[in-house]
Amino acid sequence: KAGVTQTPRYLIKTRGQQVTLSCSPISGHRSVSWYQQTPGQGLQFLFEYFSETQRNKGNFPGRFSGRQFSNSRSEMNVSTLELGDSALYLCASSFYETVSGYTFGSGTRLTVV
Amino acid sequence: GESVGLHLPTLSVQEGDNSIINCAYSNSASDYFIWYKQESGKGPQFIIDIRSNMDKRQGQRVTVLLNKTVKHLSLQIAATQPGDSAVYFCAEKEDLNTGTASKLTFGTGTRLQVTL
Repeated sequence: KAGVTQTPRYLIKTRGQQVTLSCSPISGHRSVSWYQQTPGQGLQFLFEYFSETQRNKGNFPGRFSGRQFSNSRSEMNVSTLELGDSALYLCASSFYETVSGYTFGSGTRLTVV
Repeated sequence: GESVGLHLPTLSVQEGDNSIINCAYSNSASDYFIWYKQESGKGPQFIIDIRSNMDKRQGQRVTVLLNKTVKHLSLQIAATQPGDSAVYFCAEKEDLNTGTASKLTFGTGTRLQVTL
């Protein structure tokens, strides 16, 4: 059974640019969540999607957005990149409406220069 | 490997000893708790979970204890092995009023170093 797949693994972008990250959940999982991980702030929740609808959103500026497709794949977009957006972006999927924990992907390491 | 956290508290234990990793949570409304293990270059990996109506749960070599009175969670690893070296995070989950949507709130993490 394939795990959560995130692409690309590494990205280098310049301040002011925008970036799109992709996440393919485990087959059958309908909920996808995104987290940002930095050494200073730790793991912080960005947003959660289920059936193409955003169910919950963390405390991030509007430059951070996401979407989910009908096949449950999800993308997140960050516009007007800032140096502080450099982080490991993690995607997690779960079989919604169970109390099991999420399964995380290995993340996309974004470096903004 | 990738740096998960530059200033994480570190617990050093000898191979074969038992490890206890602690976590304090703040939201008394949280009803579900999870421990994750994160190795360098990887995402967090589920270890064990516990619901708020329980105070102890055991897995293979791991035990989670929950004390709701003081909002404290601990992870015990028996017979610690070199492969247990990683950063460990506790996470709490609150089911919001809007349907069953929920999010995880992570602790800051503890680095476990296993010495031979």
